[in-house]
This record gives sequence, C-alpha cells and structure tokens, in this order.
Amino acid sequence: EDKVVQSPLSLVVHEGDTVTLNCSYEVTNFRSLLWYKQEKKAPTFLFMLTSSGIEKKSGRLSSILDKKELFSILNITATQTGDSAVYLCAVLTGNQFYFGTGTSLTVIP
Amino acid sequence: GAGVSQSPSNKVTEKGKDVELRCDPISGHTALYWYRQSLGQGLEFLIYFQGNSAPDKSGLPSDRFSAERTGGSVSTLTIQRTQQEDSAVYLCASSLGPPTSGNTIYFGEGSWLTVV
Repeated sequence: EDKVVQSPLSLVVHEGDTVTLNCSYEVTNFRSLLWYKQEKKAPTFLFMLTSSGIEKKSGRLSSILDKKELFSILNITATQTGDSAVYLCAVLTGNQFYFGTGTSLTVIP
Repeated sequence: GAGVSQSPSNKVTEKGKDVELRCDPISGHTALYWYRQSLGQGLEFLIYFQGNSAPDKSGLPSDRFSAERTGGSVSTLTIQRTQQEDSAVYLCASSLGPPTSGNTIYFGEGSWLTVV
C-alpha cells in the first residue's frame, strides 16, 4: 500500500531556531515529491523534488530528496513566527497524489 | 471511511462534455476543500465548504465550475462544457474544523481529468 509519513506530527520552537521536517514514503512509480505550507485554506507550494541529492533552496528554506532511502527533509533556518503553519509533503506517483498528514510547526517569539 | 475518498480516480472526456467528480470526506469533518493541481504548478484553491455556512467559491475559475455538498458530507464538483485547459488533477481535502494553524487537512488521492 502506498503511503507518505511525516514526522514529527507537531513541533514547537523559539524564534531563531533551526528545524528539520521529515517525509518518508513508500510508493510505486514515484514521479516527484512536493512540499507545501498550509496556513489558511490553500496550501502554498514550496518545492518540487524529482532528483536525488540536489538541494532546492528558497531563502531560509531548503529541501533535499533521497530516492535510495525514500525520504525528504525540509529545513528552515532562523525561524520566525510567520513560519508557524502546517507543512505538507506529497508524493506524485503515476497518476495519484499521496499526502502526508503534515507537521504542525509553532514558532514562539 | 478511514480517509478522504474520491471518484473517479481517472476520467478521460471529450471537449464540451460535462463531468462530475465526487468526494467523500472523513466522517465528522466539517470543512471540505476542492483544489486543482496542474503538473508543475502549485495547488489552486477552488472552493471551501465549512459546516452549514455558505461556501467560499472565490477560487472557481469560471461559471462552468460548480460544487455542492449535500447533508454536510459528500461533495460533487461539476465542470460543464469541459475545455482542454481543465485537464488537471482535482484534489479534495477535509479537516475537522476551520483552516487554522494546527488543523491538519487530509487529502484524497485525486481525480485525474484529461479533456481530449
């Protein structure tokens, strides 16, 4: 059965901390892995990863994919209160999306 | 059911035909969302239902798109007179309550629509 598992389920940190969010998957016919930030009703697209070992970076956020070990990490450095959200990982297979349940991140001032 | 269920998983239709996509949310979830995902794009919000309140239809791209949610549970997204640009994966999601921080949304596996 195809599945995507994110950890931790929730995380509380102080401003300035660095966090690492994990996404592991077991799917057939992997095509790509996507990260989203969910604050309100529409998740915001962060990254799409298709190749192993190539880091994608956007400001304080970065992500990398390991297709051998079947996982991805999302790093956020120097966290800010505006980073508080649920971070979703999704895997696109041949014709379906599989979403993890997300990691809820709370950044305390 | 245990998760959000969508049907059909795949649909190929001819341009100009109408299609209906169905979503059965997790039991007890009051919030239901429809999104559209085109390859390489982010999730595009379409419509949001919360309990018995009037739905937020602000994301529907044209009047060919409509959605309803009967009895606060199952939802149907209807696309009339389909166009090729409607080809995408249509994702349904539900959550226990309104979209606030920490209220995880659970996605279905999507309905892959191809308009030929």
